[in-house]
Amino acid sequence: GEDVEQSLFLSVREGDSSVINCTYTDSSSTYLYWYKQEPGAGLQLLTYIFSNMDMKQDQRLTVLLNKKDKHLSLRIADTQTGDSAIYFCAESGGGADGLTFGKGTHLIIQP
Amino acid sequence: NAGVTQTPKFQVLKTGQSMTLQCAQDMNHEYMSWYRQDPGMGLRLIHYSVGAGITDQGEVPNGYNVSRSTTEDFPLRLLSAAPSQTSVYFCASRRTNEKLFFGSGTQLSVL
Repeated sequence: GEDVEQSLFLSVREGDSSVINCTYTDSSSTYLYWYKQEPGAGLQLLTYIFSNMDMKQDQRLTVLLNKKDKHLSLRIADTQTGDSAIYFCAESGGGADGLTFGKGTHLIIQP
Repeated sequence: NAGVTQTPKFQVLKTGQSMTLQCAQDMNHEYMSWYRQDPGMGLRLIHYSVGAGITDQGEVPNGYNVSRSTTEDFPLRLLSAAPSQTSVYFCASRRTNEKLFFGSGTQLSVL
């Protein structure tokens, strides 16, 4: 079945850029997503990219997609303490069988 | 729009008890799903539905039942709760080929 892999932890200093990486196996993925989960809260869609795009930028967020290598990354510029959360990568073939999520990357901000 | 509403937010059960987790959405989404989130496991799909009257199993369906009698509601039933079902449960909905909206979660403990 499909699989999505991401590192469990990432530690960065406040003000630096954070880059969270994700690899997936489903070559038919139509959409790839980044969700953010703050402590005790549900998942919030941060951004998503359609599979025919290489890059998407939204303010401090940049998503890069390398479809050949099945590699997705999320870059957060000027990381702030409010960015501390778990970030989930997810992929969907656009069908009815739901999204496949990675295990989540805990982003830890050091002062 | 209220979005995706889950109740209750917290629940404690004894082994063998039954209960229903409620999920409702007011966005007229065809697709609804239930996930469970466990430490180190990420999100796993339990059951999903592509429309009223249609349900299907996800990755971890055992011990759970669902029904979809209306477009708006998608309850998740635990017929005989087990400690292994201690988890955080998320309901989600979307239109076909669009992003997934999540509820705020139900934290369930089975003693």
